[in-house]
Amino acid sequence: KAGVTQTPRYLIKTRGQQVTLSCSPISGHRSVSWYQQTPGQGLQFLFEYFSETQRNKGNFPGRFSGRQFSNSRSEMNVSTLELGDSALYLCASSLVDSQETQYFGPGTRLLVL
Amino acid sequence: AQSVTQLGSHVSVSEGALVLLRCNYSSSVPPYLFWYVQYPNQGLQLLLKYTTGATLVKGINGFEAEFKKSETSFHLTKPSAHMSDAAEYFCAVKGSSGSARQLTFGSGTQLTVLP
Repeated sequence: KAGVTQTPRYLIKTRGQQVTLSCSPISGHRSVSWYQQTPGQGLQFLFEYFSETQRNKGNFPGRFSGRQFSNSRSEMNVSTLELGDSALYLCASSLVDSQETQYFGPGTRLLVL
Repeated sequence: AQSVTQLGSHVSVSEGALVLLRCNYSSSVPPYLFWYVQYPNQGLQLLLKYTTGATLVKGINGFEAEFKKSETSFHLTKPSAHMSDAAEYFCAVKGSSGSARQLTFGSGTQLTVLP
């Protein structure tokens, strides 16, 4: 099976712009979660989608949003970018049950100038 | 609320020596526990996980971890370090429902393997 794929892998934006990141889960996986990784804050949970519905949300401002499509692919959007949004954004997919392992993609590295 | 503490942000071992990376967790529900490894410029790769059953869990690349409920610990070990083990290691906890469903990660331990 193909793993989790994320596009693009690298992105450079300027403050105030918006960005959309894409994640394709492993075939058959219906849950997609997003995480932000920074040197200062480490790995932080953004949100989880299951069957096109947001099932869980982390402690991030409303500028961070996401959605999931009927084929389980997910996108996350960050509006009005700030310098502090520079990070590695990781997507993970899993089957339905909470015991199931989350499998991570390679991430999208976002640099905000 | 759940949390993870990884003792030692940097650990150095000699090639062939024992690897011990420490992880303590806090969880209000029976936890599911994970160790992930991250190589430079890559995502996270699962090493092993504990959900239920046997408390000694074996993973890939010779790693294992033991779930000790009384000590709220889930330390990662490997009998003999290899140069290729140099990476950052993350311990994570999740619960079975509600807001505990998401993975909560420790701050990571950078493992250096000396020749």
